[in-house]
Amino acid sequence: EVQLVESGGGLVQPGGSLRLSCAASGFTFTDYYMDWVRQAPGKGLEWVGRSRNRPHRYTTKYAASVEGRFTVSRDDSRNSFYLQMNSLQTEDTAVYFCVRGAFCSGGRCPGPFDSWGRGTLVTVSS
Amino acid sequence: DIQMTQFPSTLSASVGDRVTITCRASQSISEELAWYQQKPEIAPKLLIYDASRLQSGVSSRFSGSGSGTEFTLTISSLQPGDFATYYCQQYNDYSLTFGGGTKVEIK
Repeated sequence: EVQLVESGGGLVQPGGSLRLSCAASGFTFTDYYMDWVRQAPGKGLEWVGRSRNRPHRYTTKYAASVEGRFTVSRDDSRNSFYLQMNSLQTEDTAVYFCVRGAFCSGGRCPGPFDSWGRGTLVTVSS
Repeated sequence: DIQMTQFPSTLSASVGDRVTITCRASQSISEELAWYQQKPEIAPKLLIYDASRLQSGVSSRFSGSGSGTEFTLTISSLQPGDFATYYCQQYNDYSLTFGGGTKVEIK
């Protein structure tokens, strides 16, 4: 069974930093892209960022709203995925979901988010 | 970025109704579209991928169609557990985007 468990959420002041972690199990982590998706209170879903896997040299991609402030990374030896969030703003307040992206062994790899963690709440407030 | 426009934003329906939700992409995304269901306080669940493929374990009451820029999600006979919010999402572009959501409410 695929499991994704987020941790690291909490209350942080505007301008502060926070690092989220995602522990993955139940699948071959190295075969998949990994993504973060967030949902502000009462709002819709917003994709945040992606880490591709080894065939794509672990390249990353971000939503424009977080580019330059957020960094995704992964540790394949630990089956773990991370989101480093800097210069946090009140509008970054949201539940952050760790999501399994596309299966990829090389080439172009489009695919949906087929497994989601339960999410961790990040609140940016003074 | 590709914009995804979903409508209606809210839909009131009764148990047994046939329900259709539409999602429109700002440019062609071939069939690289997924539909998700989300209930309050719970993570989204994948229903349909590649526009029309049913995810394993999902009821056959759900179906998807479309290609290019216009897509639909249909629930053939609404059941009590189907009252939720539904999102479309494109994965054609490197920047992934969701529609704004459709809340299916009890009439």
